[in-house]
Amino acid sequence: NAGVMQNPRHLVRRRGQEARLRCSPMKGHSHVYWYRQLPEEGLKFMVYLQKENIIDESGMPKERFSAEFPKEGPSILRIQQVVRGDSAAYFCASSSSGSSYNEQFFGPGTRLTVL
Amino acid sequence: AQTVTQSQPEMSVQEAETVTLSCTYDTSESDYYLFWYKQPPSRQMILVIRQEAYKQQNATENRFSVNFQKAAKSFSLKISDSQLGDAAMYFCAYKPLVNKLVFGAGTILRVKS
Repeated sequence: NAGVMQNPRHLVRRRGQEARLRCSPMKGHSHVYWYRQLPEEGLKFMVYLQKENIIDESGMPKERFSAEFPKEGPSILRIQQVVRGDSAAYFCASSSSGSSYNEQFFGPGTRLTVL
Repeated sequence: AQTVTQSQPEMSVQEAETVTLSCTYDTSESDYYLFWYKQPPSRQMILVIRQEAYKQQNATENRFSVNFQKAAKSFSLKISDSQLGDAAMYFCAYKPLVNKLVFGAGTILRVKS
């Protein structure tokens, strides 16, 4: 049973380009969470999605960031017109349900570097 | 707003010794969950131990145990018989009933041989 998969593992973009980060949840999981880890900091919640729905996006920057989790395929975190401050590790986690206890399993992360 | 504070940026322990990592949190909720995650150099987030707030008994997982003080909003992690493989960044995390995890800033644990 494969764990949470993220790709690419490393992504380099120049300022102004777009970054697309992909997350495939564990088999049977329909809830996905995105977190961002800036250098020397802990993880910060960005967005929580179920299939085709955004449940909580309270941690998403208001501009340039968007997320989706389509009926088929992986969840995508999209960053438009990247800036140097977007350089960070982006982690995806999945769970099997939205019930409060359910453990979130983390992917290996995507390290985004903006030149 | 819920916050998690780890006051020790870095800790060191001798191999085979015991070390305790501190964590405090702030919340007005009565039901919630607390976690310790380990992040080795690979950056993979690994769940070490979890605690349900409604349980008075402290959680234990092999060499890892917690001291959960609900009234004081304190959740420390004790690692016994430390091993070289325990060296990593450790994050304390709080989970309200709305699913998102709130992480502390982390504590780097170094294990000396």
